Amino acid sequence: GAVVSQHPSRVICKSGTSVKIECRSLDFQATTMFWYRQFPKQSLMLMATSNEGSKATYEQGVEKDKFLINHASLTLSTLTVTSAHPEDSSFYICSARRLAGGNNEQFFGPGTRLTVL
Amino acid sequence: DQQVKQNSPSLSVQEGRISILNCDYTNSMFDYFLWYKKYPAEGPTFLISISSIKDKNEDGRFTVFLNKSAKHLSLHIVPSQPGDSAVYFCAASALQGAQKLVFGQGTRLTINP
Repeated sequence: GAVVSQHPSRVICKSGTSVKIECRSLDFQATTMFWYRQFPKQSLMLMATSNEGSKATYEQGVEKDKFLINHASLTLSTLTVTSAHPEDSSFYICSARRLAGGNNEQFFGPGTRLTVL
Repeated sequence: DQQVKQNSPSLSVQEGRISILNCDYTNSMFDYFLWYKKYPAEGPTFLISISSIKDKNEDGRFTVFLNKSAKHLSLHIVPSQPGDSAVYFCAASALQGAQKLVFGQGTRLTINP
């Protein structure tokens, strides 16, 4: 159990376009989902915390108008990179925290590789 | 400000021997710690965790040790296997509040046959 999927796994787009990435918890409900970004050979950097039915909480330095997050249900959160530029090219990973249980165990999706030309 | 640090970017260990990965943290509010394993172009996979009320947690070949006074934790893998070769991240959070995970920079572990 505790499987998290992401779609697409890989996307290449032109500069100025918008890209939507989906994160789904397949076999559990997640009130909270997290979006991370990882540059090559670096750590995972938390971008935002997404709570079902409410606005996302963004980390310092992350532009909320550029990285739109929607958490419409207990199993789906989306990240939209608006007006993407080459510097947005990165590996984006989501995670979901299971509703039940008291531990802060997050289950990660497989990641989405975004390349902006 | 790097609140979670993994000072060794890489580690090579002989198959069958013990692998020890280290992690230090600075925020005294952290009370829950996790280790994740990550392969290239994949998401991290949860390995093992420990809360601050314990100083050791064991799961099969994996044991995590926590030294709260030193703000240090370590992951022991014994015996090490070739399939253990990956990047290992430690992460920390406070069970209260936002419960965000703060990750270290990762250590690339290579198990040599």
